[in-house]
Amino acid sequence: DAKTTQPTSMDCAEGRAANLPCNHSTISGNEYVYWYRQIHSQGPQYIIHGLKNNETNEMASLIITEDRKSSTLILPHATLRDTAVYYCIVRARNKLVFGAGTILRVKS
Amino acid sequence: GAVVSQHPSWVICKSGTSVKIECRSLDFQATTMFWYRQFPKQSLMLMATSNEGSKATYEQGVEKDKFLINHASLTLSTLTVTSAHPEDSSFYICSASPPGLPGTQYFGPGTRLLVL
Repeated sequence: DAKTTQPTSMDCAEGRAANLPCNHSTISGNEYVYWYRQIHSQGPQYIIHGLKNNETNEMASLIITEDRKSSTLILPHATLRDTAVYYCIVRARNKLVFGAGTILRVKS
Repeated sequence: GAVVSQHPSWVICKSGTSVKIECRSLDFQATTMFWYRQFPKQSLMLMATSNEGSKATYEQGVEKDKFLINHASLTLSTLTVTSAHPEDSSFYICSASPPGLPGTQYFGPGTRLLVL
């Protein structure tokens, strides 16, 4: 599975959009981009995934660049409850390999 | 989304005893479940892949005789930490993938184990 690079931490004001970047320059054609988040002391939560096209669901939007070498997770209106570690994972097989992720702090 | 439960949510045990953790998919059947371990301030590390009706597949460095995994039904996988020691104290998390969505894993709330 391709390696991903994410910023260590980010801050976001409550009510504003949170844009979390992820680089995956070695991604191959059959690998999907998955995003999960983990709120402190809880199990991770699935957010969204995509292959080539941009995706949107009730939680977030996923923007994947045309060359697929990077993506951005967008939380349109961040709340304090969105404070968590966000993991960008690229996978082709069944297993998920978690990196260090991005600590997102939403501040009032 | 799909719901995965774990029991117990936390356990304290004496060194040398065995501890069993259950992972259940409540509203879907899962032929594959996964067990992770997470130490404080670290990311999740996959321990093993649990396959219904067959032997689990362990990641490199994980002792299969110490961490016994049983996946006897399509909704239940168990992890038994045998002869637990203080260094086994950790946050154990399971996950399961619904049919047709192999990359989408739904995680349990985790089990915090403290070995004294």
